[in-house]
Amino acid sequence: GAVVSQHPSRVICKSGTSVKIECRSLDFQATTMFWYRQFPKQSLMLMATSNEGSKATYEQGVEKDKFLINHASLTLSTLTVTSAHPEDSSFYICSAAPGTQIDNEQFFGPGTRLTVL
Amino acid sequence: AQSVTQPDIHITVSEGASLELRCNYSYGATPYLFWYVQSPGQGLQLLLKYFSGDTLVQGIKGFEAEFKRSQSSFNLRKPSVHWSDAAEYFCAVGRYSGGGADGLTFGKGTHLIIQP
Repeated sequence: GAVVSQHPSRVICKSGTSVKIECRSLDFQATTMFWYRQFPKQSLMLMATSNEGSKATYEQGVEKDKFLINHASLTLSTLTVTSAHPEDSSFYICSAAPGTQIDNEQFFGPGTRLTVL
Repeated sequence: AQSVTQPDIHITVSEGASLELRCNYSYGATPYLFWYVQSPGQGLQLLLKYFSGDTLVQGIKGFEAEFKRSQSSFNLRKPSVHWSDAAEYFCAVGRYSGGGADGLTFGKGTHLIIQP
């Protein structure tokens, strides 16, 4: 149980285009979903937190107009990278938490590799 | 702001030998600590977590970790490693405010290499 999927697993796009990444909790309802970014050989950096039905909370330094997050249902959150540029190339990972209890575990998706040409 | 330090970027261990991965954290309140493992093509998998109670935490795959408040450490251990343990290991601290789940702050990871 507690499986999180991401789609696509890899995407290559041209500079200036927008890319949408989906994150789905397959067997549980996710009250909260998180988006992380991981550069090669680096740690995961939290980008934003999204709660179903409300606006996402972005971490300092993350451009909310560039990284649009929508958490329209309890099983789906999307991250749209708008007007992508080569510096946006990275590994994007989502996680989902079933509730808001203090000891709530997050379940991670397998990640999406974005390459912007 | 919280932070996590994993001092060892790479560690090489012989199969069957014991393992200890170091993790130090900085956090202004009681930390919620995690160890995750990341294998190529796989999502992060939780090995174990500490919220309160017994400071020695048992996890999956034979791993354990000990929370030492005085040293701000949460080191991961395994008495005998297997070749399948080769992966990237991340220590993370949870940021919880008012009882709601919040994002994690990760260390930079330790790449574990297993020698035959």
